[in-house]
Amino acid sequence: DTGVSQDPRHKITKRGQNVTFRCDPISEHNRLYWYRQTLGQGPEFLTYFQNEAQLEKSRLLSDRFSAERPKGSFSTLEIQRTEQGDSAMYLCASSSKRRDSQFLPNTGELFFGEGSRLTVL
Amino acid sequence: TQLLEQSPQFLSIQEGENLTVYCNSSSVFSSLQWYRQEPGEGPVLLVTVVTGGEVKKLKRLTFQFGDARKDSSLHITAAQPGDTGLYLCAGGSWGKFQFGAGTQVVVTP
Repeated sequence: DTGVSQDPRHKITKRGQNVTFRCDPISEHNRLYWYRQTLGQGPEFLTYFQNEAQLEKSRLLSDRFSAERPKGSFSTLEIQRTEQGDSAMYLCASSSKRRDSQFLPNTGELFFGEGSRLTVL
Repeated sequence: TQLLEQSPQFLSIQEGENLTVYCNSSSVFSSLQWYRQEPGEGPVLLVTVVTGGEVKKLKRLTFQFGDARKDSSLHITAAQPGDTGLYLCAGGSWGKFQFGAGTQVVVTP
């Protein structure tokens, strides 16, 4: 399977604990994105990487949230001192900067993983 | 705050009926994408529209981008149970998308 994979699929934790999610993008994709989705809402953009460089992180919800992509391959999203309001689905997506015959270069098709569902008790 | 408003929020129809869902914004977008999401899964891209007035067809699905590039619609002809899902529109560029809240479509046999 060469799709985007996320781990774990489900995480239940107690308030105040730290959690880390991992995302393995499609291997040839150089861009990786993290989104958060709460019930009844569409995905909310958090941050993205081009290779190992984090090009946008101003949308991370607070300083308790951090993301890394140290070798330009897999990425991790860490939430420190979790709060009940952090309960959500955390989605990872990847895309390629390569020009696709179907898309103009400034659009990009996002390939999403199945998400990691976080429940904070 | 979602900059893209989708309507209706929920739509339940019988198999064989037609439906239209809408995506509206006060902002101009260089492109709009439509995704479908099933429970427990990530969204899957259906189409990207980039030109004002553009119409794209994908089998029984017809997508239209407004002339001013502020709105879009998705029309499904002769809906089937397999069309059930959350339909999301997204605007922006290079993956930094703003998503609407989605329209939940349920097609019953």
